[in-house]
Amino acid sequence: EAQVTQNPRYLITVTGKKLTVTCSQNMNHEYMSWYRQDPGLGLRQIYYSMNVEVTDKGDVPEGYKVSRKEKRNFPLILESPSPNQTSLYFCASSANNSPLHFGNGTRLTVT
Amino acid sequence: AQSVSQHNHHVILSEAASLELGCNYSYGGTVNLFWYVQYPGQHLQLLLKYFSGDPLVKGIKGFEAEFIKSKFSFNLRKPSVQWSDTAEYFCAVNEATDSWGKFQFGAGTQVVVTP
Repeated sequence: EAQVTQNPRYLITVTGKKLTVTCSQNMNHEYMSWYRQDPGLGLRQIYYSMNVEVTDKGDVPEGYKVSRKEKRNFPLILESPSPNQTSLYFCASSANNSPLHFGNGTRLTVT
Repeated sequence: AQSVSQHNHHVILSEAASLELGCNYSYGGTVNLFWYVQYPGQHLQLLLKYFSGDPLVKGIKGFEAEFIKSKFSFNLRKPSVQWSDTAEYFCAVNEATDSWGKFQFGAGTQVVVTP
């Protein structure tokens, strides 16, 4: 089954403790991206990747890192999480000129 | 920078009523346009898309959208809603000159359909 898999689904952590949210897709898509969803703000793009080792900043990249060492994986790294990064995070992938396929989301709470 | 505006943040309507959700974008060049739906507790799913051609686009579940270039709009419509259409709806834009991976989303419209 074609899917985008994010882990974990829920994560509660404390300020400053590094964390990684994983994302994997099995559709051989070139493009992968991370979004955060906040009430009243919709989805805002954090980072996106056009292919292996090619990434670029989205609209809200501050405080986040990504890497694309393999085509199927695109982890989101928070080196020093802060409470304003409490949000619902979605990973998505797509082929060129094709719509986005979204993962099921990761709800992150930073205390 | 490109921006996407969805004018209605919350819409409440009864079953069988007609639905129209507004979406406007700020970019003057060629764009690719999308509507996504997020049912409660789920991830976003594609409703319909417009790349080029006929400006009236039909999607899944009876939804359609009309691209009006002169108005920078891509409004979503459904003639007769059902209770199962209760969801949040997002308009999204990709500028044709941008990388395909770069998308901008509107703030979303929460639609509640009452029985």
